[in-house]
Amino acid sequence: DSGVTQTPKHLITATGQRVTLRCSPRSGDLSVYWYQQSLDQGLQFLIQYYNGEERAKGNILERFSAQQFPDLHSELNLSSLELGDSALYFCASSVGLAGDNQETQYFGPGTRLLVL
Amino acid sequence: GQNIDQPTEMTATEGAIVQINCTYQTSGFNGLFWYQQHAGEAPTFLSYNVLDGLEEKGRFSSFLSRSKGYSYLLLKELQMKDSASYLCAVRYYGGFKTIFGAGTRLFVKA
Repeated sequence: DSGVTQTPKHLITATGQRVTLRCSPRSGDLSVYWYQQSLDQGLQFLIQYYNGEERAKGNILERFSAQQFPDLHSELNLSSLELGDSALYFCASSVGLAGDNQETQYFGPGTRLLVL
Repeated sequence: GQNIDQPTEMTATEGAIVQINCTYQTSGFNGLFWYQQHAGEAPTFLSYNVLDGLEEKGRFSSFLSRSKGYSYLLLKELQMKDSASYLCAVRYYGGFKTIFGAGTRLFVKA
């Protein structure tokens, strides 16, 4: 158990819909990362937040957005869903000290999204 | 770009040694991670290298050459449970993004 929690574990929805994925980082971690992993694909970095502010942005679609709240939990919002958005969405957290070298990321169990 | 290259698949025999290579673009390099991921599960941290050389941790070792943009993960005394994907990830300055390779799927056979 990494200490990172994600809800829901599974999500089935239809095209055009909007969903929200939730992540709670490990206690004390300030950074939260979101990744998408499609079938047989590598991890695609979406976005990172540090202490409530966006820190780095990857290949995140405009239909997707995220935020990190004062209690440090984070939400990833996916809208106008398409079939191709079906994937595992992982959240990871790290201590996230600015300039720190070893920002080891601890991954949550993931949310499996299926768009029908 | 910041391409990270690693072999797609490898097969090895139980009890043997296997080396999984990773090459990356060196510009802006800040550190390199190796993660293990079993199918359908979350990646788990194996090792971190920021200086040149070999870091040994039990049956797993990781090597880094910053000038060559090259790393490898060495797995000794392979066990069936080592069958998994091994992800090489590089952290870069300028936003401190961590870029993951596509992973190497390792099959350990009896």
